[in-house]
Amino acid sequence: DTGVSQDPRHKITKRGQNVTFRCDPISEHNRLYWYRQTLGQGPEFLTYFQNEAQLEKSRLLSDRFSAERPKGSFSTLEIQRTEQGDSAMYLCASSYLRGLAGAGDTQYFGPGTRLTVL
Amino acid sequence: KQEVTQIPAALSVPEGENLVLNCSFTDSAIYNLQWFRQDPGKGLTSLLLIQSSQREQTSGRLNASLDKSSGRSTLYIAASQPGDSATYLCAVLSSGSARQLTFGSGTQLTVLP
Repeated sequence: DTGVSQDPRHKITKRGQNVTFRCDPISEHNRLYWYRQTLGQGPEFLTYFQNEAQLEKSRLLSDRFSAERPKGSFSTLEIQRTEQGDSAMYLCASSYLRGLAGAGDTQYFGPGTRLTVL
Repeated sequence: KQEVTQIPAALSVPEGENLVLNCSFTDSAIYNLQWFRQDPGKGLTSLLLIQSSQREQTSGRLNASLDKSSGRSTLYIAASQPGDSATYLCAVLSSGSARQLTFGSGTQLTVLP
């Protein structure tokens, strides 16, 4: 197991185009998270899945954003009609739920996908 | 709404010095607090996780403390090395807010040889 992987690592697109990112979590991890990080800031939460169910979405996730985790394994994040303000690092993390809801679990992060919208 | 602040924003020290990074959070109702390291253009590496019931965690030259009642955490790095140069991020997992981590903006550390 080599950890959380993300593809592509870099994406340059023109404003108005659609882009899709993929995240492969650590095997057996049942939780998967998406965060966005802009330059000089900490990551901001976008959404998370427990198995295939999307349980929470941030207000940052506008209607142009959609995330899926169809079989409870890998996840995709799609941005439609990209805008320059979407330029950021998109980070994926995974964790394993143990014990009761609310028990602390370590989130393991992938290398991120850096999106540049021209 | 949980807010996390890290001070200082940047720090430069000579090799061998011991140093302390600070993190404060506004809502003390947390499950845990994590310290991460981020190298330029890279993802995050978890360094230490402190559960809300714990006071500190240690890993090698790193020691993290948590004072939940005052909303503070510190990351102590002993005998700093140039390889420690990176951005250090603090993040809290708040009770009742599902699973989202709230991050500070980080402290950019430079250790000079």
